[in-house]
Amino acid sequence: ELKVEQNPLFLSMQEGKNYTIYCNYSTTSDRLYWYRQDPGKSLESLFVLLSNGAVKQEGRLMASLDTKARLSTLHITAAVHDLSATYFCAVVLLRGAGGTSYGKLTFGQGTILTVHP
Amino acid sequence: SQTIHQWPATLVQPVGSPLSLECTVEGTSNPNLYWYRQAAGRGLQLLFYSVGIGQISSEVPQNLSASRPQDRQFILSSKKLLLSDSGFYLCAWGGLVSPLHFGNGTRLTVT
Repeated sequence: ELKVEQNPLFLSMQEGKNYTIYCNYSTTSDRLYWYRQDPGKSLESLFVLLSNGAVKQEGRLMASLDTKARLSTLHITAAVHDLSATYFCAVVLLRGAGGTSYGKLTFGQGTILTVHP
Repeated sequence: SQTIHQWPATLVQPVGSPLSLECTVEGTSNPNLYWYRQAAGRGLQLLFYSVGIGQISSEVPQNLSASRPQDRQFILSSKKLLLSDSGFYLCAWGGLVSPLHFGNGTRLTVT
C-alpha cells in the first residue's frame, strides 16, 4: 500500500523567511502533484512533477521531485501572508489499462502553513 | 475550457435521511470522475472513481454509493445517512494525464 507522508504538518513562519515542506512516499510513482487549499475551499492545483529531477516554480513557490529518494519538496521563498493555506502533495499511480485506465492519487496529510507579519 | 460543477455547496441532514450530491463536468468528453471525502483533520480519502458511463469502482466499503448515468454526470448517494458521513465531499475529474481538477465541494453535516 502506498503511503505518503508530509512534514511538517504545521508550519508557522514569519513573513520574509524561507522554508521547505517535505513529501516522502513509499513506492515508485508515475508522477506527483502539489495542491493548495484555502480554509473552507476546494483544492487548487499548483505543480505537476512528471520525472526525476523535475523542478517547477511559480512566484515564491518552487517544487522539485527526486524519484530515486521518493521525495518531493515545496520550497517557500520570502513568505508573504497570502501564502497561508494548507498544502498537499499527492502521488499518482496509474491503474488499469486501455480504456479503463485511471490515475489513483494518494494524498499526504497536508501541511498547514501560517505566515505571520 | 473545462469546468466542474458540484452542488449543493452546503447541506445539513438528519441521521437516517437520504443523500444525493451531483457533479457535472463541461468541456471534456469521457472524463475519469472521482468522489473524495475530506473529514475534519484534513486527509482526503478516495471514495469512488468512474472511467465511463455505468462503470463505478469503490475504494472503501461504506454507507455510500455512486452512479454515472451520463458521460459527464457523477452522483453520490446514500439511502440512510450516518453521523460518520459528515465531511467535505469533493468531485474531481482528470488524473490520468493531467492533475485532478476539483469542484468547489459540498460540506455535509449529519445531525
